[in-house]
Amino acid sequence: GDSVTQMEGPVTLSEEACLTINCTYTATGYPSLFWYVQYPGEGLQLLLKATKADDKGSNKGFEATYRKETTSFHLEKGSVQVSDSAVYFCALPTGGSNYKLTFGKGTLLTVNP
Amino acid sequence: NAGVTQTPKFRILKIGQSMTLQCTQDMNHNYMYWYRQDPGMGLKLIYYSVGAGITDKGEVPNGYNVSRSTTEDFPLRLELAAPSQTSVYFCASSYPTGGDYGYTFGSGTRLTVV
Repeated sequence: GDSVTQMEGPVTLSEEACLTINCTYTATGYPSLFWYVQYPGEGLQLLLKATKADDKGSNKGFEATYRKETTSFHLEKGSVQVSDSAVYFCALPTGGSNYKLTFGKGTLLTVNP
Repeated sequence: NAGVTQTPKFRILKIGQSMTLQCTQDMNHNYMYWYRQDPGMGLKLIYYSVGAGITDKGEVPNGYNVSRSTTEDFPLRLELAAPSQTSVYFCASSYPTGGDYGYTFGSGTRLTVV
């Protein structure tokens, strides 16, 4: 079935460092792809999305490009801040629907000052 | 704009007890979901609903029940609580046109079964 695989965490960076969190997917066709973020003690929030191949989603300085050739949707940020410390989840619709999401296991990012 | 509201935020249950986790959304979303989040395991779909009166099982439905009598409310019922149900539970909703617009999540209910 459709699934996503995220890089194992945790990831620890210093402020202003570059970030890449890898996400690869297995899917029939070309579903929308999502990145969600979960700040400590909160629910998940949609960070960015891409709805078709070659699309680039962006928000709050984060970017991810939907690459069908490598079946990837890696999350990137050029300069992280302490406030970016959170758990990041890659997700895609599964089960033949366009609304039931399957999430990766999450990657914990800690940014130190 | 409250979004998705879950109550309670925390609860401790004894083995065999029952409880209902409440979830309400005020965005007129047709689609609603319950997920559980276990450490290092991501989120698993328990039940979902595509509209009032319609519910269906997700990946891990055993030990749970749901109902959807109104568009706004989607309570999750735990009968005969077991330690394996210790988890963080999230309710979410999405736009009527489906998942392309993403989910809105509640802030979660942390449940401990002892």
